[in-house]
Amino acid sequence: SQQGEEDPQALSIQEGENATMNCSYKTSINNLQWYRQNSGRGLVHLILIRSNEREKHSGRLRVTLDTSKKSSSLLITASRAADTASYFCATDAYETSGSRLTFGEGTQLTVNP
Amino acid sequence: DGGITQSPKYLFRKEGQNVTLSCEQNLNHDAMYWYRQDPGQGLRLIYYSQIVNDFQKGDIAEGYSVSREKKESFPLTVTSAQKNPTAFYLCASSIGDRRTYEQYFGPGTRLTVT
Repeated sequence: SQQGEEDPQALSIQEGENATMNCSYKTSINNLQWYRQNSGRGLVHLILIRSNEREKHSGRLRVTLDTSKKSSSLLITASRAADTASYFCATDAYETSGSRLTFGEGTQLTVNP
Repeated sequence: DGGITQSPKYLFRKEGQNVTLSCEQNLNHDAMYWYRQDPGQGLRLIYYSQIVNDFQKGDIAEGYSVSREKKESFPLTVTSAQKNPTAFYLCASSIGDRRTYEQYFGPGTRLTVT
């Protein structure tokens, strides 16, 4: 089963509004990452937040991490039509054979012009 | 240009045939990964490799095989034993070093088996 679960599954907003997506996970993590996927394309890394960090910013993106609640949120401020995409959280699961990520099922964001 | 490439973008095969998907990277990354994505869903890990000549099964390895003879290349073979092979396949790479780094993804190969 997937480690991360995004909420909501789909989100539709108007250009200029803020978009918030949430991710919950089940086990302890070393870090959590957010990725973006345009339709039919590969994923693009957005931001990585470590387990000892609570908040991180990158341009119009703000990510928070609450390890006590095993949850993270991605906020996109002043959204644009070009932000329309699927957004995935991914958590690491360090194993003796090396690192790997487990992805959630994603939030489909639609920004209407 | 540095990056990760997958070919072809679209692939069509008849049921019962094996098919090999290509993945090449020139990022000098040690780790490479293969994921499967079904419509409206997240990514599921098929196989991953942290170093040349070594690889591990992911969550859905049955019906797939891989090789890692060169650092730059990590081809995936979808065998006839894979019950439902039609999907979008994504290859990724990362620095590795047994710690978790961001992954860089290729553009994907959409496989259709009829």
